[in-house]
Amino acid sequence: EVQLVESGGGLVKPGGSLRLSCAASGFTFSSYSMNWVRQAPGKGLEWVSSISSSSSYIYYADSVKGRFTISRDNAKNSLYLQMNSLRAEDTAVYYCARDGPKGYYDSSGEYYFDYWGQGTLVTVSS
Amino acid sequence: SSELTQDPAVSVALGQTVRITCQGDSLRSYYASWYQQKPGQAPVLVIYGKNNRPSGIPDRFSGSSSGNTASLTITGAQAEDEADYYCNSRDSSGNRGVFGGGTKLTVL
Repeated sequence: EVQLVESGGGLVKPGGSLRLSCAASGFTFSSYSMNWVRQAPGKGLEWVSSISSSSSYIYYADSVKGRFTISRDNAKNSLYLQMNSLRAEDTAVYYCARDGPKGYYDSSGEYYFDYWGQGTLVTVSS
Repeated sequence: SSELTQDPAVSVALGQTVRITCQGDSLRSYYASWYQQKPGQAPVLVIYGKNNRPSGIPDRFSGSSSGNTASLTITGAQAEDEADYYCNSRDSSGNRGVFGGGTKLTVL
């Protein structure tokens, strides 16, 4: 059974830092691209960042570029999101999501997130 | 453009058919995927690619696409289908993800 379990959320002051983790199990982690998606309270889903299976491709939303860093450790079956210079608008539930089985770039044009974790809440407030 | 546009809210009578749409330039190049989210829960993939359903998703859910518009159709909507629905794809560069603003479906 595929499982994604996020951790590391909490309350942090503006300007502070936090590191989120996502522990993966039930599949060959090193074969899949992974993603972070967030949802501010009462708002819609926002794609945050993606990383390909071997970390060759890494992309960020403009809203977090230069402040957040995505990484992975395939030996530990883990995905991370280092969040620096946090702002009130970063307050959200952060979800870890697995890409479908095709590579990050696939000629089929099919891109989707087939499994999601339950999310971890990050609150940025003084 | 890196935007996907959805109607904020749609309603359907129990047992009837409803279509939820998603518009964006990138949909001319990439398929949309669709996610159902109920309050307090993580999103669940319901449709991906041309018209594929993950295991466990009822066949009343289907997807289609034409030009810059992707559609999610629920044929014979059930009370349990009441939820928020989000479309997702890549942006026009093909590098970054993008979500629509979401559609709140009410089953009357």
